[in-house]
Amino acid sequence: DTGVSQNPRHKITKRGQNVTFRCDPISEHNRLYWYRQTLGQGPEFLTYFQNEAQLEKSRLLSDRFSAERPKGSFSTLEIQRTEQGDSAMYLCASSFRDSTNEKLFFGSGTQLSVL
Amino acid sequence: AQSVTQPDIHITVSEGASLELRCNYSYGATPYLFWYVQSPGQGLQLLLKYFSGDTLVQGIKGFEAEFKRSQSSFNLRKPSVHWSDAAEYFCAAGGRNNDMRFGAGTRLTVKP
Repeated sequence: DTGVSQNPRHKITKRGQNVTFRCDPISEHNRLYWYRQTLGQGPEFLTYFQNEAQLEKSRLLSDRFSAERPKGSFSTLEIQRTEQGDSAMYLCASSFRDSTNEKLFFGSGTQLSVL
Repeated sequence: AQSVTQPDIHITVSEGASLELRCNYSYGATPYLFWYVQSPGQGLQLLLKYFSGDTLVQGIKGFEAEFKRSQSSFNLRKPSVHWSDAAEYFCAAGGRNNDMRFGAGTRLTVKP
């Protein structure tokens, strides 16, 4: 068990460019979450997957954001036409959820800076 | 609306002193409740969680939290703080089928 892995750790991009982040969850975990965290704030929920199905998307997730989890394993989060307001830490978490329990494990995040 | 509130943005305590971090939630039903700690440059680590049963929950690193339904609170406590406890602490809540909501965090500074 190597934990939740996120790549890259840091991403600097120019406004208007597209970026893609990857998250590799703990292998047996069936749920995968994406959060966004800005300085001084707690993580804000963006979306989550149960296996390969995307079950919920936050209103924060504009049309420029898309997430996939094609085989129920790793996930990607893409931001198109980035804006300066997209600068944040993007956190991925995974869990195995059954009827009585859930424990999230977080990755170290991808820090996005949009210039 | 579902929300989690941490009233204290920043708390400073002396090493060896006791600690209490406040958390209040607003949910339609009793949610699952969590406390996470985040050290600089590190991912979030779960300290403890409450799902049901005993309202006093023990966690790692000597932390505990008490669920009080009447006050919609889930405050985190530690009897004696160590310098290594300095970090950002997040309270979180989630429903049975819903996403997790996090508070804004409380930054803990520990004075020698």
